[in-house]
Amino acid sequence: GESVGLHLPTLSVQEGDNSIINCAYSNSASDYFIWYKQESGKGPQFIIDIRSNMDKRQGQRVTVLLNKTVKHLSLQIAATQPGDSAVYFCAENGAGANNLFFGTGTRLTVIP
Amino acid sequence: NAGVTQTPKFQVLKTGQSMTLQCAQDMNHEYMSWYRQDPGMGLRLIHYSVGAGITDQGEVPNGYNVSRSTTEDFPLRLLSAAPSQTSVYFCASSYEARGQYNEQFFGPGTRLTVL
Repeated sequence: GESVGLHLPTLSVQEGDNSIINCAYSNSASDYFIWYKQESGKGPQFIIDIRSNMDKRQGQRVTVLLNKTVKHLSLQIAATQPGDSAVYFCAENGAGANNLFFGTGTRLTVIP
Repeated sequence: NAGVTQTPKFQVLKTGQSMTLQCAQDMNHEYMSWYRQDPGMGLRLIHYSVGAGITDQGEVPNGYNVSRSTTEDFPLRLLSAAPSQTSVYFCASSYEARGQYNEQFFGPGTRLTVL
């Protein structure tokens, strides 16, 4: 079956530094990938997505990179702020409908 | 728009009891889904619906039923609660089931404890 995993369960960064969160996926047929942010006690919040026909996509302070050769996804957050502290999940859109398969998450802690 | 709403926010059940978790969206979204999130884990898909009258199973459907009689509502029913169903449940919806506009919006979650 499909699986999405993360290299590191926790990440601590200094405020103002850049953060990089990594994710590996196993289904080479997946064509849509999403990063979600989840704050304590809340539902996941969409950050950015990327389709398999792209290698890179940029948003406001965030960039997602997709390497299909090694089935790797990363989220880069520029100038990390205390409000960025949360758990970040990568997810892939598997076969059929809009079903998402989530990784286990990385907890990002921003040190003031 | 209220977005995706879920009720209740918290619930405690005894083993064997049944209950329904409510989910509603006011965005006229085609696709709706239910996920569960266990401690330290990502979300896992329980059931989903690509439109009114259409439902299907996800990754972990056992012990749950769903129905989609209207576009807005997608209730999740626990038939006979078990401690293994202690979890946080999230409902999500997207404009399309597949295509360009399939960003999923999540509700705030229902925290369920089964004793």
